[in-house]
Amino acid sequence: SAVISQKPSRDICQRGTSLTIQCQVDSQVTMMFWYRQQPGQSLTLIATANQGSEATYESGFVIDKFPISRPNLTFSTLTVSNMSPEDSSIYLCSVQRGMVRGEQFFGPGTRLTVL
Amino acid sequence: QKEVEQNSGPLSVPEGAIASLNCTYSDRGSQSFFWYRQYSGKSPELIMSIYSNGDKEDGRFTAQLNKASQYVSLLIRDSQPSDSATYLCAVNNFGNEKLTFGTGTRLTIIP
Repeated sequence: SAVISQKPSRDICQRGTSLTIQCQVDSQVTMMFWYRQQPGQSLTLIATANQGSEATYESGFVIDKFPISRPNLTFSTLTVSNMSPEDSSIYLCSVQRGMVRGEQFFGPGTRLTVL
Repeated sequence: QKEVEQNSGPLSVPEGAIASLNCTYSDRGSQSFFWYRQYSGKSPELIMSIYSNGDKEDGRFTAQLNKASQYVSLLIRDSQPSDSATYLCAVNNFGNEKLTFGTGTRLTIIP
């Protein structure tokens, strides 16, 4: 597995503001992913963060709302822009380490509450 | 649409008994199958992976895969109260690294 940290662990934000979530991995990884888990729900993939290129977004998620950076192989950020209460959720980063497709390890998550 | 389905539960099992968790998937191109355990307030933790038909055992956990029936299950033997959690089934499809998650089954082990 990999050691993954996220900052902040939780935050309470006002409507209309933006929050940037950081994800740091203890070693270089090729694939990094950002998920959202709304209360009582399963995980929904937001985007795949690609090093050196634009992120690949899933249906229903757009770059203007969730801009992602991946400056190197150990770090990524997800910004939640112009937040509304509907963005209240847990945001998780995950990494694929090794050659097994789909075998992902998750960070501890960021619990976001938007008032 | 690619889907992964699980019974949301809650599933209650007496301590020491076998807990059986089930998952079906719709995409026949699925190649890899994973079970994650998620404690309340925590992030998912990978506990089992299975790639070929049949059984795979790891300690008290056994994953079973039947690609013809598009069915994967997780058995937990000698259930302990510490096994109480939500179990998420996840599927990886051929040609990409993405995972599709089921909605999860909440398991409660009754002492």
